[in-house]
Amino acid sequence: AQSVTQLGSHVSVSEGALVLLRCNYSSSVPPYLFWYVQYPNQGLQLLLKYTSAATLVKGINGFEAEFKKSETSFHLTKPSAHMSDAAEYFCAVSSRFMDSNYQLIWGAGTKLIIKP
Amino acid sequence: ETGVTQSPTHLIKTRGQQVTLRCSSQSGHNTVSWYQQALGQGPQFIFQYYREEENGRGNFPPRFSGLQFPNYSSELNVNALELDDSALYLCASTPGQGAGEQYFGPGTRLTVT
Repeated sequence: AQSVTQLGSHVSVSEGALVLLRCNYSSSVPPYLFWYVQYPNQGLQLLLKYTSAATLVKGINGFEAEFKKSETSFHLTKPSAHMSDAAEYFCAVSSRFMDSNYQLIWGAGTKLIIKP
Repeated sequence: ETGVTQSPTHLIKTRGQQVTLRCSSQSGHNTVSWYQQALGQGPQFIFQYYREEENGRGNFPPRFSGLQFPNYSSELNVNALELDDSALYLCASTPGQGAGEQYFGPGTRLTVT
């Protein structure tokens, strides 16, 4: 069964520094991989998605992620952190569970802390 | 195109009571998924509906049930509420059978006392 691992429940970076949030999936290449962001007391917002069209995916707010099949990874990066990036980030993969039906399998989340 | 909406925003119930949470999906989205997110945790999949039928369920007891209606609205019902049911409940809709990205509503914060 598919599973998703996010390394680090909390990541702290200084404002202006590189952001790197790690995500690994467990088994065969899923059809889609996603990064979502959640601000306090809000729902989840899609940052970006991988759909096999390109291994480097650009998302909103300056984030991007690179799909690496050999490493079963889909790490999220941003060159320069901003205070407004402080939030919780979730990696998810779509997994087929019956016929043509899919569900999302979620990582546990990484809380990004930005130091001034 | 309207987004996903959920009601109510907040709700306080007593242990043993029943609750119904509502979601209105984006027009044309045939799949709706419900999640429970406890404080400090990731979303936990409750179940998924496709064209008004449940087609997937996570590790939740039968007292969690749902309905999906032809007008793209859906409900999550929880009977015999327990203290551990206190969480943010998220609804998400997807076009087709759920392979693509899910569009989330803002959630309903349920507190069970």
